[in-house]
Amino acid sequence: EPEVTQTPSHQVTQMGQEVILRCVPISNHLYFYWYRQILGQKVEFLVSFYNNEISEKSEIFDDQFSVERPDGSNFTLKIRSTKLEDSAMYFCASSEGEQAPYFGPGTRLTVT
Amino acid sequence: DQQVKQNSPSLSVQEGRISILNCDYTNSMFDYFLWYKKYPAEGPTFLISISSIKDKNEDGRFTVFLNKSAKHLSLHIVPSQPGDSAVYFCAASGSRAGNQFYFGTGTSLTVIP
Repeated sequence: EPEVTQTPSHQVTQMGQEVILRCVPISNHLYFYWYRQILGQKVEFLVSFYNNEISEKSEIFDDQFSVERPDGSNFTLKIRSTKLEDSAMYFCASSEGEQAPYFGPGTRLTVT
Repeated sequence: DQQVKQNSPSLSVQEGRISILNCDYTNSMFDYFLWYKKYPAEGPTFLISISSIKDKNEDGRFTVFLNKSAKHLSLHIVPSQPGDSAVYFCAASGSRAGNQFYFGTGTSLTVIP
């Protein structure tokens, strides 16, 4: 069964450093998403991406965040200058269209 | 701003009985609803969906009911099995592709053998 994959599974970084989280969405899906879950809190939307551009973003997705689809398979989330409060599980998801997004296993980001 | 609420943080049910998980939403523009199941250290796994043109959708042991006038949906699992023990999230969206889904805070279900 096709699945969304994410690397790395755990990333530790120092405050102020840049991080790139990587995702390989399901191959025939057209919509890509990043969500995050801070420990003990709910899953929060960051951004959706379609046809090589952002289709929607939340207030969390400020200028420190960017997304890119550098080739036909990868989808990345970059945080330019990490803050302590960016520590969370980051989930990539993809969907064919209006159907439910399928989530990857997540990357645990720890900012020290 | 909690547009989707799951007021029961936890639920315990005997194996073989029915589990009922509830979810309320505030935004009348939501017209597509999802339930996800999540195990620790894994991503959410899609279970079942319902659009606002329906009031019920079934898939095997899982049934979702939607009451649009009350802005309420529920997930019924029958019969419950120990492997169903997980955190269950409801999520809601306008149905335009690429729209964000708003998630509830989750209900931790424990099915007791």
